Amino acid sequence: AQSVTQLDSHVSVSEGTPVLLRCNYSSSYSPSLFWYVQHPNKGLQLLLKYTSAATLVKGINGFEAEFKKSETSFHLTKPSAHMSDAAEYFCVVRDKTDKLIFGTGTRLQVFP
Amino acid sequence: DAGITQSPRHKVTETGTPVTLRCHQTENHRYMYWYRQDPGHGLRLIHYSYGVKDTDKGEVSDGYSVSRSKTEDFLLTLESATSSQTSVYFCAISETGGKGQYFGPGTRLTVT
Repeated sequence: AQSVTQLDSHVSVSEGTPVLLRCNYSSSYSPSLFWYVQHPNKGLQLLLKYTSAATLVKGINGFEAEFKKSETSFHLTKPSAHMSDAAEYFCVVRDKTDKLIFGTGTRLQVFP
Repeated sequence: DAGITQSPRHKVTETGTPVTLRCHQTENHRYMYWYRQDPGHGLRLIHYSYGVKDTDKGEVSDGYSVSRSKTEDFLLTLESATSSQTSVYFCAISETGGKGQYFGPGTRLTVT
């Protein structure tokens, strides 16, 4: 069965420093992977998706993620954090019946 | 934002009462989903629909039923609400099963 593990429940960074949110996946075939962001009291917004094309995927708001099959990872990065990036981030894998399986989330705090 | 609305946005109800949540889309997407979000669990799929009158169960379907009589509306019903169903409920839509899903703003339900 497909699954994702988000390795950190909380990440804190200073504004202007890099962001790294880690995600490992488990899949018996080449997966489709997504990152979603949820700002406080808001719905979820799709940040980016990997669907077996380029392994480096660029998303909105300067975020990108790299699919590494050898490491079964799909980490989310951003070179320079902004205060508005403070939110909860979900790593998601699509299963073989096209349903989405969500990780438990990583809460990103950005300090001035 | 994708054209998805949820109603009501907030509801407080008593144990044992029936509750219906509505999801309405203006995108004419085939697929619609209901999730619940609880701390430490990410989002979990309750039910989904792949067309008018075509629905199926998700991971946590016990105690919930759904109906889809029109492309644009997907209703989630709690036949007899329990305190364990206190949660935030999100509706999502997708053009195809394999593409990313787009989420509504959520409904916060409290069962007392």
